Amino acid sequence: NAGVTQTPKFRILKIGQSMTLQCTQDMNHNYMYWYRQDPGMGLKLIYYSVGAGITDKGEVPNGYNVSRSTTEDFPLRLELAAPSQTSVYFCASSPEGFGNSPLHFGNGTRLTVT
Amino acid sequence: QKEVEQNSGPLSVPEGAIASLNCTYSDRGSQSFFWYRQYSGKSPELIMSIYSNGDKEDGRFTAQLNKASQYVSLLIRDSQPSDSATYLCAVKNNNFNKFYFGSGTKLNVKP
Repeated sequence: NAGVTQTPKFRILKIGQSMTLQCTQDMNHNYMYWYRQDPGMGLKLIYYSVGAGITDKGEVPNGYNVSRSTTEDFPLRLELAAPSQTSVYFCASSPEGFGNSPLHFGNGTRLTVT
Repeated sequence: QKEVEQNSGPLSVPEGAIASLNCTYSDRGSQSFFWYRQYSGKSPELIMSIYSNGDKEDGRFTAQLNKASQYVSLLIRDSQPSDSATYLCAVKNNNFNKFYFGSGTKLNVKP
């Protein structure tokens, strides 16, 4: 069982470029999340989704966009990359939002913007 | 803003000792609490979850929750060098579908 899969693992972008971070899960979880983690810091919520077709902003959404066309996939789009977006990005999923289920994390994407 | 506070450390303990990690949170509506371990360069992995006041034990790990004081802790007994990692506290208000994380406490277990 693959769980939460993120691609790519590493990426270097030039300022102003765009890219999409891919995230897919095979656990049939309704809830999916994107977090970023800066060095020595905790996880900050960028966007989340409670099901296909539904997305909402988290704490730090500026500079990012998401879509959720299927239960399995939750891509994160960076438009006009900036050095401040250099970070490690984690996708996570949870089977439910109103219960006590934890987050299941992917392995992360390390992004550098220069 | 839902705040979750942790001492960043590093917390250094000798092998075999008890490590005590603490976390406070500001949202009184928080209902679920989680401890994640994160090795350098890796993703967080779940160690324990706790939902009711009191203690919950799982092997060498004990989570403690005091909702009145808005405080959750993690005790690691018989600490091993392999426990050296950053420990993240996560808090969830089940009404809002969001998990909030502390900045983590770095634990060093010295052989």
